[in-house]
Amino acid sequence: AQKITQTQPGMFVQEKEAVTLDCTYDTSDQSYGLFWYKQPSSGEMIFLIYQGSYDEQNATEGRYSLNFQKARKSANLVISASQLGDSAMYFCAMRGLQSGGSYIPTFGRGTSLIVHP
Amino acid sequence: DGGITQSPKYLFRKEGQNVTLSCEQNLNHDAMYWYRQDPGQGLRLIYYSQIVNDFQKGDIAEGYSVSREKKESFPLTVTSAQKNPTAFYLCASNPWGQGNQPQHFGDGTRLSIL
Repeated sequence: AQKITQTQPGMFVQEKEAVTLDCTYDTSDQSYGLFWYKQPSSGEMIFLIYQGSYDEQNATEGRYSLNFQKARKSANLVISASQLGDSAMYFCAMRGLQSGGSYIPTFGRGTSLIVHP
Repeated sequence: DGGITQSPKYLFRKEGQNVTLSCEQNLNHDAMYWYRQDPGQGLRLIYYSQIVNDFQKGDIAEGYSVSREKKESFPLTVTSAQKNPTAFYLCASNPWGQGNQPQHFGDGTRLSIL
């Protein structure tokens, strides 16, 4: 069984500062992928960044980077130079290869990020 | 533009009534999913489908039913057996068998009890 743990229900950050959102995972799968999504108050889920379990380097997408530590089973999201528009819920998710070739996703409970001016 | 369309945006259910949430995608994705989101909780998987005419239960399938008669469509019925249906429902899709591809989501349907 897969499990995603996000231990920070809420985080506050000053505009233009960096913030790290924590995510730890548990899986017995050898091949899996880790995703981060942003959910603004309007409700839609926006894909931010992906890290594969076999990727050697940490993923980066603009101001988003993923601090992947495989031995510790952590995949923390780092947002640099926070903007007011970054205020949202952030979800960590994992998809591991299941029997039959399907990838069934598991989501964490999310972290609410508020960016202060 | 390709995407997922969920309707309606808001839905109200009376006691003892079944309601159906619509999900349509034009991304040519094989896999489709239904999630339920409650305040303070993450997304919980209700049902998923990998191909037409086939679907599997997720973690919280009781009180829900689905169909997959067309590749583009994956409607969710919330039956009267679901005693606490008030929640935000999200539909998602992705190409089947490609674990490195993110899921695409619709804008969601907010269901409330009258």
